[in-house]
Amino acid sequence: SQKIEQNSEALNIQEGKTATLTCNYTNYSPAYLQWYRQDPGRGPVFLLLIRENEKEKRKERLKVTFDTTLKQSLFHITASQPADSATYLCALDGGFKTIFGAGTRLFVKA
Amino acid sequence: KAGVTQTPRYLIKTRGQQVTLSCSPISGHRSVSWYQQTPGQGLQFLFEYFSETQRNKGNFPGRFSGRQFSNSRSEMNVSTLELGDSALYLCASSYSLGTGELFFGEGSRLTVL
Repeated sequence: SQKIEQNSEALNIQEGKTATLTCNYTNYSPAYLQWYRQDPGRGPVFLLLIRENEKEKRKERLKVTFDTTLKQSLFHITASQPADSATYLCALDGGFKTIFGAGTRLFVKA
Repeated sequence: KAGVTQTPRYLIKTRGQQVTLSCSPISGHRSVSWYQQTPGQGLQFLFEYFSETQRNKGNFPGRFSGRQFSNSRSEMNVSTLELGDSALYLCASSYSLGTGELFFGEGSRLTVL
C-alpha cells in the first residue's frame, strides 16, 4: 500500500543546532516533494519544493534533499531558533493530488 | 495580494445537521483543494477542483461533496454530520493542477456535538 511517513512525531533540539527531519515514502513515484510549516490553529505554509531530478535545494537556513532511490527526503534547519518551533509536514505529488505526511513537531529550546 | 479566505472560521453543529464551508482562492488561482485535518489522521485529501470540475477525490463517504464556481470560489458540504466529522477543514489554492506549492487558508474549525 502507499505510505508517506515522517519518522519522528516530535523532535527536541537546542537553539543553534541543526534540526534534521526525515520523510520516507513507499509505492509512490512523485515528480516532486514539498515541505510545509504549520503553526497551531493555522493553515500550513509552503517552504520548499524539490523535483525528482534535483538532489538538493536550499533557501536561507533551510536545506532539502531528495533521494528517489532510497525514497527519502531530509529537511534540515541550520542554526535553529525558538521561532522555528512548529510542525513540519512533508508532502508529495500523488497524481493530481498532494498527499501529506503526519508531520513532525519541532521544539527548539533557548 | 489577498490570501486564501475561508469562512466561517469556527462553527458548532449537532449530529444530523449539514454544513457548508466556503473558500475564496488567491486571485488568478484556478485550482482549489480541500483537506480534513484531525489530530489522529493528519491532513487527509478530500477533493480537488479545477475549472469547475472535480479532478480528484479522496476516500471519504458521499456525505462529503463540493463544487467550484466560475470565479474559482469553492464550497464544500457535509450532510448528516457525525461526531467524527469534527475537524479543521482546510482549503488550498494553486495556479494550476500539479504545480505543487499550495497556498492554504486558515481553515474552518467544525465541532459536531
